[in-house]
Formats: sequence, C-alpha cells, structure tokens
Amino acid sequence: AQKITQTQPGMFVQEKEAVTLDCTYDTSDPSYGLFWYKQPSSGEMIFLIYQGSYDQQNATEGRYSLNFQKARKSANLVISASQLGDSAMYFCAMREGRGGSNYKLTFGKGTLLTVNP
Amino acid sequence: NAGVTQTPKFRVLKTGQSMTLLCAQDMNHEYMYWYRQDPGMGLRLIHYSVGEGTTAKGEVPDGYNVSRLKKQNFLLGLESAAPSQTSVYFCASSYRWAMNTEAFFGQGTRLTVV
Repeated sequence: AQKITQTQPGMFVQEKEAVTLDCTYDTSDPSYGLFWYKQPSSGEMIFLIYQGSYDQQNATEGRYSLNFQKARKSANLVISASQLGDSAMYFCAMREGRGGSNYKLTFGKGTLLTVNP
Repeated sequence: NAGVTQTPKFRVLKTGQSMTLLCAQDMNHEYMYWYRQDPGMGLRLIHYSVGEGTTAKGEVPDGYNVSRLKKQNFLLGLESAAPSQTSVYFCASSYRWAMNTEAFFGQGTRLTVV
C-alpha cells in the first residue's frame, strides 16, 4: 500500500487565485511528520512547509499553508495568490516516528502545477 | 555554504558498465538517503544510512550498493548498469533527532544507460 497518495497528476490555476494540492497518507505510527517540497523545472528540491502529527494548529509559511485533517489522514497544501513562479512539481512526503528513531522519508508521486497568466 | 553536493551531475553509461555516485554533505547530518526520480513515479528510496558505517535498503535497492565510510559521504554504486537504471538520482541528508527538520537535497545526477 502506498504511504503517500497524491491523486492530482496535474493542476491548473489562474495567477492570483488560490489552489489546493491534495495529499493523503497512511501510517499506524502516532508520531510522524509531513513535508511539502517544490521542484521547479530546474530540478532542485525546495522545502516549503512542515506539519507534525502532534501540532495543534495548521502550519503556515508565507503564502503556503497546510490543511491538516488528522482523522482523514490528509495534509493538503494551499497556495494563496498564485504566482507564475509557482509553476512546478509539488511533492508531499512523510517521516514516521518509530518511537524516536525516525529515518525513512517517503514521497508521493507529485502534482504538476501550472499557473496561467 | 555547500550543503549537499552530488558528483557527477550528468553521466552516460553503456549497459554493463559500473560507476559510483558521490554525495557529500557538510552539515554534520546523521541521516543520508539516495532516491531515484522517474516520470510519474515520484521519488523512490533506494538506500539510506542512519549513521557512519550503517546502510539499509529502501524501496528499490536491487542493482545498487552503497557505503558510508565517513559521516559526510554516502556513495551509491552501480555494479553492472542496465537501461532500467536510467533516471535522475538525488541524495539527501537530515538531522536524526529532530522530526521537524527537513531533508536537504543535492542538485541531482542525470544518468543515462544506453
């Protein structure tokens, strides 16, 4: 079974509008962390935002926010006021706690976001 | 401020040839990872290491070997390259004891096996 599922292979959004990229995860570990990375066409991996399983509030970083619904095991990325430079591949990832020895970082297949002018 | 450095950046191999990809990090991270990225498949974990002298298999370890003789270096070897190993390879590193710290990535190595 996949640990991280991103159901949207591609998404389109108009410049200045908000967009939500979906991510669901599967774990039985009570301690885990969820990450979002951006990969522009140049290829580098850029960390965007982190959400811990015990965090009470949804994470926010500038125009990025994470809609964390623990019971549904979803961690959707919301980008507000989209910009042309947001066009990229976006990956959701999870690190499981395993009683304090967290190691593996598992990625989803990604969502390609295109921002239209 | 080097971070994570991968060498080489590009390589073309013939089927059956061997090569080693080098990953070096200067952040004193305990964890290091090798991933491969293929279209539509996301990043898949090949091997990882939780500290100097340790290695472990990830999701897709077949055809690859790794070594971590020094904390700062993580080597990925292909003993007999196959066309199915054509991919973009990423190395990453992270702290061990902080769940909320992100993994830092190298710039990737584009490998083509013909």
